[in-house]
Amino acid sequence: EVQLVQSGAEVKKPGESLKISCKGSGYSFNSYWIGWVRQMPGKGLEWMGVIYPGDSDTRYSPSFQGQVTISADKSITTAYLQWNNLKASDTAMYYCARWPSTMTALDLWGRGTLVTVSS
Amino acid sequence: DIQMTQSPSTLSASVGDRVTITCRASQSISSWLAWYQQKPGKAPKLLIYKASSLQSGVPSRFSGSGSGTEFTLTISSLQPDDFATYYCQEYNSYSPATFGGGTKVEIK
Repeated sequence: EVQLVQSGAEVKKPGESLKISCKGSGYSFNSYWIGWVRQMPGKGLEWMGVIYPGDSDTRYSPSFQGQVTISADKSITTAYLQWNNLKASDTAMYYCARWPSTMTALDLWGRGTLVTVSS
Repeated sequence: DIQMTQSPSTLSASVGDRVTITCRASQSISSWLAWYQQKPGKAPKLLIYKASSLQSGVPSRFSGSGSGTEFTLTISSLQPDDFATYYCQEYNSYSPATFGGGTKVEIK
């Protein structure tokens, strides 16, 4: 089955670090971009950035540049989203999604990882 | 960065209605526009890509049109399963790929 499986919900304190994951299966993981999307509680979708696992080419939205790190380990078909200094404002649902090419769009989504940052 | 503006932000409609949602880009994006449907507690689902191409498995009552800076998503006959929030997204480049603010389609 073609799917993206995201890691489970996290509860963290401000200032802590966190790395969440997105594992692809059932398709050629290295050949498709993986994007990350934030959705704050009750709000819309925000584009964070994208990575091409084949060569780790990574591009960030200016709003998230320097705030998060996107990476991938193609040997285990997994992409990651990482924070080094969480803030309460990072509380949100985070989705990963597959992007085959600029000829199409985000065609396969993970179920999301809920990150809660609270003291 | 390109800004994407959706209207209306909320729409009340009845089953069987024809529904149109508009998305405007702050600069030309050619046809690099996608539409997604999101239901509460669920991940978004791709409906339309490249402005007017229907994603595999999506009912034909959904259609997209437009190019340049103005785009529309039309649901020809609203069904109970269509009550959801709809988002447009430009993808003129891999990043950023800005989303619109969303349009919630509610039951009238």
